[in-house]
Amino acid sequence: AQKVTQAQTEISVVEKEDVTLDCVYETRDTTYYLFWYKQPPSGELVFLIRRNSFDEQNEISGRYSWNFQKSTSSFNFTITASQVVDSAVYFCALGYRANNLFFGTGTRLTVIP
Amino acid sequence: DVKVTQSSRYLVKRTGEKVFLECVQDMDHENMFWYRQDPGLGLRLIYFSYDVKMKEKGDIPEGYSVSREKKERFSLILESASTNQTSMYLCASSSTTGVQETQYFGPGTRLLVL
Repeated sequence: AQKVTQAQTEISVVEKEDVTLDCVYETRDTTYYLFWYKQPPSGELVFLIRRNSFDEQNEISGRYSWNFQKSTSSFNFTITASQVVDSAVYFCALGYRANNLFFGTGTRLTVIP
Repeated sequence: DVKVTQSSRYLVKRTGEKVFLECVQDMDHENMFWYRQDPGLGLRLIYFSYDVKMKEKGDIPEGYSVSREKKERFSLILESASTNQTSMYLCASSSTTGVQETQYFGPGTRLLVL
């Protein structure tokens, strides 16, 4: 069975601080995909990244970076020099059944100016 | 850019009413999904469809039905709305060009059942 755990329910940081959002997953599949989505106050989920289980290279995109470690079943997300616009709920998700996603419960990030 | 639209951002209905939530995507995607989002529970899959007139139950289909008569449109139906169906409903779509393609989401519909 699939499981995605985002243990941090809410995080608050002061602007310009770095922040890491944790995601731990469980799956019996040998091939799988992991995703991060951002949900700003407007409500729409915005796709951030998709990573397959064969690619453990870390990825950096501007102020965002992702650390995928199969050994610990983790796919953590770091925002460097946070900004107020980063305030949102962030969801980690695990792909299963070829086209479906199993979501974690989300982490609400508040960046204080 | 992928565009997924939902018919209403906010909806207020009374217990027992039949409720239709509409979703339209403009990217010719084969797959479409309906989720509900509740605090502390994340997103849970209600139904999905991988082709016109095809549908499959997700994790929480009870109390809901769906309709997909055209490729671009996927409707979620609450036959007799109940207060425990008060929630945020999100529609998504994805292609089938590869394995586990990215799902793109609409803006969501906040439904309040009184």
